[in-house]
Amino acid sequence: GENVEQHPSTLSVQEGDSAVIKCTYSDSASNYFPWYKQELGKRPQLIIDIRSNVGEKKDQRIAVTLNKTAKHFSLHITETQPEDSAVYFCAASTRAGSARQLTFGSGTQLTVLP
Amino acid sequence: DSGVTQTPKHLITATGQRVTLRCSPRSGDLSVYWYQQSLDQGLQFLIQYYNGEERAKGNILERFSAQQFPDLHSELNLSSLELGDSALYFCASSVGVGGQGSNTGELFFGEGSRLTVL
Repeated sequence: GENVEQHPSTLSVQEGDSAVIKCTYSDSASNYFPWYKQELGKRPQLIIDIRSNVGEKKDQRIAVTLNKTAKHFSLHITETQPEDSAVYFCAASTRAGSARQLTFGSGTQLTVLP
Repeated sequence: DSGVTQTPKHLITATGQRVTLRCSPRSGDLSVYWYQQSLDQGLQFLIQYYNGEERAKGNILERFSAQQFPDLHSELNLSSLELGDSALYFCASSVGVGGQGSNTGELFFGEGSRLTVL
């Protein structure tokens, strides 16, 4: 089955600096790559996603890049703020029987230091 | 508020017992997914239903089962509970058909049901 690896598992940055989280996937048929943010004790929420026909997507301070050839995608957060502190999960939409499912990475705990 | 409702929010039970977790998807969503999140762990996919039918299965134990009813709500049944089953169980829903040629689309997660097995 699909395997999504996510690095690093923890990341601390100073407020105002950039943060980068990287993921790799194994199923070349994966075609949808969302990123979810989970604040402490809360539910995961979608923050940005990218489809396989696009190489980069940006939404204000966050951006995602996709390299289909290398099978990796990354989340970039610029001008980080304390409220960006959370666990971030990448995911890949993969085949599973007659349907597609999201396989999640193991998560990155981002801490933005004031 | 995601529109996905999960009950109960918290549940404490003993080993060997059986519990049922309930999920109501967002209005109009036909797909329901169950995920398990253990302490400091990622989101482990358990099972997916689409319009009442099982569509995909992940690492779901044989002691666990689920179903989706005609009104589209879903229940996850956990039996012969063990200490290691203590976790946060999330339900998520999406509009997506989930077929081979399509994407899942955005998943909307409920607040989760925290299960503690003593």
